[in-house]
Amino acid sequence: GAVVSQHPSRVICKSGTSVKIECRSLDFQATTMFWYRQFPKQSLMLMATSNEGSKATYEQGVEKDKFLINHASLTLSTLTVTSAHPEDSSFYICSVFGGRTGELFFGEGSRLTVL
Amino acid sequence: AQKVTQAQTEISVVEKEDVTLDCVYETRDTTYYLFWYKQPPSGELVFLIRRNSFDEQNEISGRYSWNFQKSTSSFNFTITASQVVDSAVYFCALSEVDSWGKLQFGAGTQVVVTP
Repeated sequence: GAVVSQHPSRVICKSGTSVKIECRSLDFQATTMFWYRQFPKQSLMLMATSNEGSKATYEQGVEKDKFLINHASLTLSTLTVTSAHPEDSSFYICSVFGGRTGELFFGEGSRLTVL
Repeated sequence: AQKVTQAQTEISVVEKEDVTLDCVYETRDTTYYLFWYKQPPSGELVFLIRRNSFDEQNEISGRYSWNFQKSTSSFNFTITASQVVDSAVYFCALSEVDSWGKLQFGAGTQVVVTP
């Protein structure tokens, strides 16, 4: 079964609204989660590292005030796209690092469309 | 600088043909991990293999095989006797030991298998 769950899988919103995407680790506690973004027909790019109980670490060029990350528990990280615009339309996917074997697990991804 | 290069943008084959996907990486670390993922049209990432830098043994899993050559910094992937269900985008990725869990993805190779 799935180890990492993302919700929602698809979301359509109007320009200017905020959208929250959840990433849940189902099988183990995860102190670290990662958020990636994938524009259509492009590769995945790491956006940020979500750390439980502390501030997220953002990759260069990613606006931390626009992409708010909260990792309030050991099983949940949320990515909020604030004041979304059409150029934010993308596939957002999280990964969880953990488990006994230190494996990496990816969520199913969330496809955001901003009208 | 791009650390993972997948020079082939798209490969089209007829069913039952073999297809080899190239992956060249760049790192200064002596310890690192290499990955291959499959991304079907639905978007989720399907884990195929993880290989650490100290294990240069080639691997075969069913119709899949991987050739890891540190001397040429390559980690190529071959699908033998391709099937239509193999049609997807395939990503090669690198994770360096000082940033374990963060994946640097190649641009991806679209494989199209026609009947």
